[in-house]
Amino acid sequence: DTEVTQTPKHLVMGMTNKKSLKCEQHMGHRAMYWYKQKAKKPPELMFVYSYEKLSINESVPSRFSPECPNSSLLNLHLHALQPEDSALYLCASSQVLLDLRPGELFFGEGSRLTVL
Amino acid sequence: AQSVTQLGSHVSVSEGALVLLRCNYSSSVPPYLFWYVQYPNQGLQLLLKYTTGATLVKGINGFEAEFKKSETSFHLTKPSAHMSDAAEYFCAVSHPSFGNEKLTFGTGTRLTIIP
Repeated sequence: DTEVTQTPKHLVMGMTNKKSLKCEQHMGHRAMYWYKQKAKKPPELMFVYSYEKLSINESVPSRFSPECPNSSLLNLHLHALQPEDSALYLCASSQVLLDLRPGELFFGEGSRLTVL
Repeated sequence: AQSVTQLGSHVSVSEGALVLLRCNYSSSVPPYLFWYVQYPNQGLQLLLKYTTGATLVKGINGFEAEFKKSETSFHLTKPSAHMSDAAEYFCAVSHPSFGNEKLTFGTGTRLTIIP
C-alpha cells in the first residue's frame, strides 16, 4: 500500500473545464513534488514544494497551478488544458534534508488525466 | 549537468535467468545514483541507492547494483528472474548540492520475463 494517496485515479476533462488533482501524505515529509509522465517516458519534474513553499517550477505553463495548503496536502489545479497535457500525474514526497534518506522519493499511484 | 543513459529500452529474460539492466551516468561531481521500479498502473518505488561507501548495494526483491566510477556505470542485476519482476525500471541521478529536488531519471527499461 502506498503512503502517498492521490485522487482521483482517473480524470477526463474538456479543454474548458477546471479540475483539481489532490495528493496527501502522512509521513511527516516536508518536500512534495508533482511529476508528469507520458506513456513510455520517464517522469518529468513539474513543481517542488519545500516546507509548504514553492521551491522549483520547471517552467510549467500557467494552466497548471500548484497549491500546498499544509505540510500533508498538495493540489494541482487544472484549467484550460490541451489534449497534449493528457498524461499520468504523479505526486511524491520526501525528507527535505539530504542526510535523511537522500533520493528516496515516495510516489503515489498517480492520477491518469485525459483531456478531450 | 547530470544525466543517465539506460541502454536497451526493452529487455527480455527467461524466468530463472540473470537480469542485467544497464545504466551509465554523466556527472561532473560524485553523484547519488538510484534505481526505481514502476509496476503497471502504479507509481515508482525505490529499489536501491548508492550515495557513499560500499560500491555494491543491495536492494529490495533480490536486486543489487554496483557503482563503478571508472566505467561511470550503475548496472542493476538479479541472479534469478521471477515473473513478478516484470515492470519498468528507471535509473536516476542526483547530486548532493541539488538535493532530493533534482532527481533526473533515465528513459527507462521495460523488463519482460519469459515463462
